[in-house]
Amino acid sequence: QKEVEQNSGPLSVPEGAIASLNCTYSDRVSQSFFWYRQYSGKSPELIMSIYSNGDKEDGRFTAQLNKASQYVSLLIRDSQPSDSATYLCAVITGGFKTIFGAGTRLFVKA
Amino acid sequence: EAGVAQSPRYKIIEKRQSVAFWCNPISGHATLYWYQQILGQGPKLLIQFQNNGVVDDSQLPKDRFSAERLKGVDSTLKIQPAKLEDSAVYLCASSLDPGTTGETQYFGPGTRLLVL
Repeated sequence: QKEVEQNSGPLSVPEGAIASLNCTYSDRVSQSFFWYRQYSGKSPELIMSIYSNGDKEDGRFTAQLNKASQYVSLLIRDSQPSDSATYLCAVITGGFKTIFGAGTRLFVKA
Repeated sequence: EAGVAQSPRYKIIEKRQSVAFWCNPISGHATLYWYQQILGQGPKLLIQFQNNGVVDDSQLPKDRFSAERLKGVDSTLKIQPAKLEDSAVYLCASSLDPGTTGETQYFGPGTRLLVL
């Protein structure tokens, strides 16, 4: 089992729709969870961080964390073509090591 | 505030040659990370420094890769000798101090390495 798993996609949604990205992790004592966005040929940039169970909203983005299910998700509301990118889930494990998932490619169709 | 600087941006070498990458983190950031990102995959942590001490290097192929962070600021990552499978983007990132809850990592532009 991979330490951080994501569906590689591509996930295709129409403009204005909600995009839902999912991530599961294996280390039960992980404490910190991050979503990064990476455009093709560019470096990752942080979108959201979440540390506690529940939802965290920032503009069009909502991160959801469920530690019991070892699951973290990212919702993008009112998706725009500019949201088309690869979304990387990152987890800091109990050993304070950062593990990235392989990423989910998102395409938003105009 | 200046971001994370890396050089060179691109490098093409032949297998068995050596190569070195340089990273200058954001001023004041105690923690520095080197990642390897192969096309289509997520970044893989190679080594993490806190100031000039190594926190984690469990995924660094130590028979060919080495890294140092002198004086707790700049860092260099070296590959000697390079193999074809080392072709990847090498990303440097820095954060203030990961502590126990983690801090945002800020990434440099990366160095794209092609080994022929």
